Amino acid sequence: DAGVIQSPRHEVTEMGQEVTLRCKPISGHDYLFWYRQTMMRGLELLIYFNNNVPIDDSGMPEDRFSAKMPNASFSTLKIQPSEPRDSAVYFCASTKYTEAFFGQGTRLTVV
Amino acid sequence: AQSVAQPEDQVNVAEGNPLTVKCTYSVSGNPYLFWYVQYPNRGLQFLLKYITGDNLVKGSYGFEAEFNKSQTSFHLKKPSALVSDSALYFCAVPQGAYTDKLIFGTGTRLQVFP
Repeated sequence: DAGVIQSPRHEVTEMGQEVTLRCKPISGHDYLFWYRQTMMRGLELLIYFNNNVPIDDSGMPEDRFSAKMPNASFSTLKIQPSEPRDSAVYFCASTKYTEAFFGQGTRLTVV
Repeated sequence: AQSVAQPEDQVNVAEGNPLTVKCTYSVSGNPYLFWYVQYPNRGLQFLLKYITGDNLVKGSYGFEAEFNKSQTSFHLKKPSALVSDSALYFCAVPQGAYTDKLIFGTGTRLQVFP
C-alpha cells in the first residue's frame, strides 16, 4: 500500500479564495482524521470520520471549514473563504486498531 | 478524561549519549500508550505502543519505552542517540476504549548534537 496520500503537497492561495485539500486513506482503515499543525498551536484535531460518517467536528475552527468523506477511499477538507490565519500544514491520517498512519501533509499558505 | 503530558518542549543530547523523552499519562482503566515521531516536513510516524505485558516496549529505529504504572509515566529512551534522531516526538493515548481517536501530547523537540 502506498500509505495515506494527500494532495496537493503545497498550496498558495489568495485570501478569499476557496481551497480544497484531498486525502486518500489506506484501504481497509476504519477511521480518518484531519489535523492542522502550526508553530503557535501545535497539532490540532479538526474532524474525524468512522466508516465515512463524521463523528466529531468540534475542532473545526469555524463555518468556513467543511469536510466530507463520500466513500471509504476519499476525503476532502474545504476552506471557503480562506484567510491568512488558515496558513498551516494540514495532515490527514487513517487508522485501524488505533495505530495511525499520517500522510505527508499539505502546506497551505494564504496570502 | 484521558490525557498525556510532555513536560519538556525540547531535549538536547550529544550524539552517542543516552536519551530520554518524558511522557506522563492520566487514564481511566488500562492504558494504551503510543509514541510517534515527526521528522522535518513529514507526517507523524508510529514508533511503538504499549498495550499490556512487558513494561519495556521496543520499537522502531532502536527506540524503547518504559511503562511505569506507579509513576504514571511512559518515557521514550534510546541507549545511544544519533544526529538523525533529531525530530519532534509525541506521546499519545486513545480517547476511550472504543475509538481510534488519539489524544496527543504537545510534543518534545529532540536535538542531537554531533
